[in-house]
Amino acid sequence: QAQLQESGPGLVKPSETLSLTCTVSGGSISGYYWSWVRRPPGKGLEWVGYIHYTGATNYSPSLMSRLTLSVDTSKSQFSLKLTSVTAADTAVYYCARLNALAIAGMNYYHSMDVWGQGTTVTISS
Amino acid sequence: DVVMTQSPLSLPVTPGEPASISCRSSQSLLHSSGYYYLDWYVQKPGQSPQLLIYLHSNRASGVPDRFSGSGSGTDFTLKISRVEAEDVGVYYCMQTLKTRTFGQGTKLEI
Repeated sequence: QAQLQESGPGLVKPSETLSLTCTVSGGSISGYYWSWVRRPPGKGLEWVGYIHYTGATNYSPSLMSRLTLSVDTSKSQFSLKLTSVTAADTAVYYCARLNALAIAGMNYYHSMDVWGQGTTVTISS
Repeated sequence: DVVMTQSPLSLPVTPGEPASISCRSSQSLLHSSGYYYLDWYVQKPGQSPQLLIYLHSNRASGVPDRFSGSGSGTDFTLKISRVEAEDVGVYYCMQTLKTRTFGQGTKLEI
């Protein structure tokens, strides 16, 4: 069973860049989409974006201008970079695997079936 | 953007009793394939989110059959036939038709 582990600094200064990495173990990074979800304190879940192991991406419209997702299959890792952060980016960040769980018509349907434990990121000077 | 609205936001329940959570989308979630593109997730206290229901009505692996998903168009429902103490947590619907958007979450408490 695949396991995911987020890593990165817990504290980032406003206007700087937030960088997180998710390491995949116990399974292959190839063949899947990989996503990021965050939960600000006292609020609900917010979808951030996803990346295919080939590098194709899909970003939340609200974060698109500041967000870059990347993947390194040789290290079984995928990463998130969020620029010009503010206090509103303070959150627990989760990485998750998007797995093809069904076939809907001609398409594979993907859902987040394996999640990391989450990492807390605080934006503060 | 597709906006997802859940109700209620807080749901006190009694063990053994049924529970129902509503999720409404700002536009139809019907895909051209004929399927409704909606998932349900739960985040239990101290845990990461976990998948409950995918593609509108399919239970994820290991999910008890007391959980069921239904609905059509813009109105969807997650039902728990008999609530157990372990079901406490925040339940989220998420549309997957146009990028992805979560609902605000419904806190289920005993």
